[in-house]
Amino acid sequence: ETGVTQTPRHLVMGMTNKKSLKCEQHLGHNAMYWYKQSAKKPLELMFVYSLEERVENNSVPSRFSPECPNSSHLFLHLHTLQPEDSALYLCASGSRANTEAFFGQGTRLTVV
Amino acid sequence: AQKVTQAQTEISVVEKEDVTLDCVYETRDTTYYLFWYKQPPSGELVFLIRRNSFDEQNEISGRYSWNFQKSTSSFNFTITASQVVDSAVYFCALSGVSGTYKYIFGTGTRLKVLA
Repeated sequence: ETGVTQTPRHLVMGMTNKKSLKCEQHLGHNAMYWYKQSAKKPLELMFVYSLEERVENNSVPSRFSPECPNSSHLFLHLHTLQPEDSALYLCASGSRANTEAFFGQGTRLTVV
Repeated sequence: AQKVTQAQTEISVVEKEDVTLDCVYETRDTTYYLFWYKQPPSGELVFLIRRNSFDEQNEISGRYSWNFQKSTSSFNFTITASQVVDSAVYFCALSGVSGTYKYIFGTGTRLKVLA
């Protein structure tokens, strides 16, 4: 079983839809991350959770709402997105600050 | 402010050539960590190496080697005898002071290895 699993792998949604991205890690890590990867832009850190507490929130619009119910699961709830939110959303987990993060395969999101 | 610059947007080489991917970073922290990741077409970022700011020893792992030079704030990555399977986007990243979970990524270098 892979370390960090993201579902779905692909998602097409309308601007009025509500959907959720799911991330699960089986590595025993206590930190989880959401990153956004758009074409020709650096990876953008969106949220970080450490021990289920949000420790970073990088000025992300409120139409993105994270949830971390336990140290193994992380969600990103989406509502009323814009076409410019179309991107690859990557989840990662890490054991502690400044150690390497392990990434999932991402969810390719298209907003129409 | 912290910043990572990967000036090479795309590099194409022929199989078996050596190739070096450049990474230059900026930070005011005295303790920091540098990383390289590989992103194949499947999408996930694969961790390759972590280096802390106090360890300037170069590292070799098979065909991969890394050259960390604090004097020039660079952490370059060399692939020796490149193979088609090395084709991917490579990212350099920086993490700052103890206790922070923030990674600053460069824009990545797309490497194409042609058969």
